Amino acid sequence: EAGVTQSPTHLIKTRGQQATLRCSPISGHTSVYWYQQALGLGLQFLLWYDEGEERNRGNFPPRFSGRQFPNYSSELNVNALELEDSALYLCASSLVRGNQPQHFGDGTRLSIL
Amino acid sequence: GENVEQHPSTLSVQEGDSAVIKCTYSDSASNYFPWYKQELGKRPQLIIDIRSNVGEKKDQRIAVTLNKTAKHFSLHITETQPEDSAVYFCAASIYNFNKFYFGSGTKLNVKP
Repeated sequence: EAGVTQSPTHLIKTRGQQATLRCSPISGHTSVYWYQQALGLGLQFLLWYDEGEERNRGNFPPRFSGRQFPNYSSELNVNALELEDSALYLCASSLVRGNQPQHFGDGTRLSIL
Repeated sequence: GENVEQHPSTLSVQEGDSAVIKCTYSDSASNYFPWYKQELGKRPQLIIDIRSNVGEKKDQRIAVTLNKTAKHFSLHITETQPEDSAVYFCAASIYNFNKFYFGSGTKLNVKP
């Protein structure tokens, strides 16, 4: 069974640009979560999508947004990039809503120059 | 909102010793508490989880305990091995909100 896959592995952008990160969940999983992990820090919850809708979001500005497609894959968009957006962005998926274990992808390393 | 605090931030033990990592949470509505292990450069992996209707759960050398009254939960690793060296994260969430709050992580170093 294929795990959660994320693309690209690395992404280099400059301040003010926009970034798009992609995630494919484990087959059968309908919930997708996005986290930001800054260097040496913990995981900060960004967004939760389930059945194509945004169900919850963390304490991040509106320039962090995303969507979930009918096949349950998801993308995270970050507009007006700032230096402090440099981090590892992790996607996770779970079977159904209701506190099911999350399975993480390898992440996308976003670097802002 | 929920606030999860994790201690210690670093922990060094001798191979074969036990390791204990503690987390506290603030929202009494939290009812699901997973633990993740993240090796250097790798994805976080779920190692054990506990729901609020139980006080303890074991899986071989790993156990988690939950004290709902005191709002804290702990990870216990017995007979530690060098391959247990990693960063461990605790988390708390509320059923059906699926908004997970993670602790800041504990870097465990097991010395051979």
